[in-house]
Amino acid sequence: EVELVESGGGLVQPGGSLRLSCAASGFTFSDYWMSWVRQTPGKGLEWVATIKKDGSEKYYVDSVKGRFTISRDNAKNSLYVQMNSLRAEDTAVYYCARARHYDILIGFYSDYWGQGTLVSVSS
Amino acid sequence: EIVLTQSPVTLSVSPGESATLSCRASQSVSSNLAWYQQKPGQAPGLLIYGASTRATGIPARFSGSGSGTEFTLTISSLQSEDFALYYCQQYNNWPPSDTFGQGTKLEIK
Repeated sequence: EVELVESGGGLVQPGGSLRLSCAASGFTFSDYWMSWVRQTPGKGLEWVATIKKDGSEKYYVDSVKGRFTISRDNAKNSLYVQMNSLRAEDTAVYYCARARHYDILIGFYSDYWGQGTLVSVSS
Repeated sequence: EIVLTQSPVTLSVSPGESATLSCRASQSVSSNLAWYQQKPGQAPGLLIYGASTRATGIPARFSGSGSGTEFTLTISSLQSEDFALYYCQQYNNWPPSDTFGQGTKLEIK
């Protein structure tokens, strides 16, 4: 059974940093691209970042470029996102998701999601 | 950026009836569209990808159709567990810039 478990969320001040982790099990982690998706009551669901199976390619939504870094450790079956220079608008539930696509020239849908971890950016 | 507009915002339907949810894209996304269901306190779950292919374990009462800019999710014979939020997502671009619709709340009439 596929399982994704996020951790690392919490309250952080504007300008601060946080690192989220996602522990994957039930599938061969190194065979899949992986994504972070966030959700806020106001903006709904927003794709944040996606990383290739071997970590060699990374893609980000414009609003987090230069501030967030997605990474993975295939030996530990784990996905990460380092979030720096956090802003109030980064407040959201962050989901780890397994990314799928069937054409190399299109994006990804997510077939499995974790339960999410809440990040609150406030002074 | 491709904008997805879902309608209606809220849909009230009685159990046993059918529900039709719409998702319109601001430009063509071919068939690169997915639908998700989200229940309170839970993560979204994949229902449909490729506009019309049901994900693993999804009942046949869920069906997706459309291509280009107009898409529909139809749920027939509504069960109590189907009342939830539904989101569409397009994944047509490379590099990826996937976007979601704002959601449709399916509620019990």
